[in-house]
Amino acid sequence: KNEVEQSPQNLTAQEGEFITINCSYSVGISALHWLQQHPGGGIVSLFMLSSGKKKHGRLIATINIQEKHSSLHITASHPRDSAVYICAVRPNTGNQFYFGTGTSLTVIP
Amino acid sequence: NAGVMQNPRHLVRRRGQEARLRCSPMKGHSHVYWYRQLPEEGLKFMVYLQKENIIDESGMPKERFSAEFPKEGPSILRIQQVVRGDSAAYFCASSPFSPFSGRLLVEQYFGPGTRLTVT
Repeated sequence: KNEVEQSPQNLTAQEGEFITINCSYSVGISALHWLQQHPGGGIVSLFMLSSGKKKHGRLIATINIQEKHSSLHITASHPRDSAVYICAVRPNTGNQFYFGTGTSLTVIP
Repeated sequence: NAGVMQNPRHLVRRRGQEARLRCSPMKGHSHVYWYRQLPEEGLKFMVYLQKENIIDESGMPKERFSAEFPKEGPSILRIQQVVRGDSAAYFCASSPFSPFSGRLLVEQYFGPGTRLTVT
């Protein structure tokens, strides 16, 4: 059983649509990351959060610690947003991160 | 300030050969993490190192794999006698802070990865 579950696994959207990607986890955590992995493989950290909500441009990340759930929202999606979005959590104990398997997003012009 | 650098970006090895993957952390970062991404799977933690110390290698296979982060130079992930199942993307990430620093949020900065193909 994976400690981090993401949904959906694959998502296709029309340009301009509002997109939501969900992440549920089963362990107590100190932090949650949202990462973006583009074709070609490079990984970029989008958000790191431990409570509440963060916004950066068209991206919004929220977390509900009690429900062990986080969402990543993309407003006014664009084809350049096409990538794999990965949720990662850092448990309260230990050094490592646990990663979801990613949500592959394709935004069609 | 250059980002995390990894080389080579692509590495092809025959079964039984050795693979050496290098990671240069961001300037001022003394904490390095190695992750493996198998085809069609998510990232998995392998090892966490500080300069000259392995802190946590709980995610690393017991045999054939080793890692080091010397006082000078890059961190090295070494895979001896590679097998086809070792084919994967290997990412390293660096951080300026320890997970035990007391900081609630400890950012990690990822390198571009090394894609290892074992033929």
